[in-house]
Amino acid sequence: QKEVEQNSGPLSVPEGAIASLNCTYSDRGSQSFFWYRQYSGKSPELIMSIYSNGDKEDGRFTAQLNKASQYVSLLIRDSQPSDSATYLCAVTASGGSYIPTFGRGTSLIVHP
Amino acid sequence: GAVVSQHPSRVICKSGTSVKIECRSLDFQATTMFWYRQFPKKSLMLMATSNEGSKATYEQGVEKDKFLINHASLTLSTLTVTSAHPEDSSFYICSAKPGQGNEKLFFGSGTQLSVL
Repeated sequence: QKEVEQNSGPLSVPEGAIASLNCTYSDRGSQSFFWYRQYSGKSPELIMSIYSNGDKEDGRFTAQLNKASQYVSLLIRDSQPSDSATYLCAVTASGGSYIPTFGRGTSLIVHP
Repeated sequence: GAVVSQHPSRVICKSGTSVKIECRSLDFQATTMFWYRQFPKKSLMLMATSNEGSKATYEQGVEKDKFLINHASLTLSTLTVTSAHPEDSSFYICSAKPGQGNEKLFFGSGTQLSVL
């Protein structure tokens, strides 16, 4: 069974700090990796996608992928209270189905 | 980015009634749509995958006769919760992607269903 693991948190960081969110996955053949942000009572919105090993930066967000370790992370620099949300890691299965599997999400709290 | 419209956003119904939720892709054709449900503080659970013009593929444990999915056009998928019961109360979210490949998912705004 393909699994995506995340620490449920909450992860609490002060405003202006770097928040580091981690995700591991079980399917070694996974191809695509996504981070979604979900505010309470709302649907997820895509923050980052990453497909190859290394870092990908977009504004204050950096996604890091290490396929050998089956590990993907999201760094949020200069964290703001508005970043407080649940962050979902999603991994697309191998084998051509392209159906993403979601982790349970990590709750992030950025306090002033 | 692509827009997926979902409604209603909230519905309260009596036990035993049926509820229909619509999901529309507004600026792209969605050959594949996914229906998820989410309980409080839990992750998204995939219920079924619907492909335009063919039967939906349901995940294990999801009753296809209870959760009817219709994907009759490239821009519309519907989920009907038949004979709803309080345990069906949940947040239902649809998502869509333009093609069959490895594209990102675009989510609807979700429907909070409360069955009394």
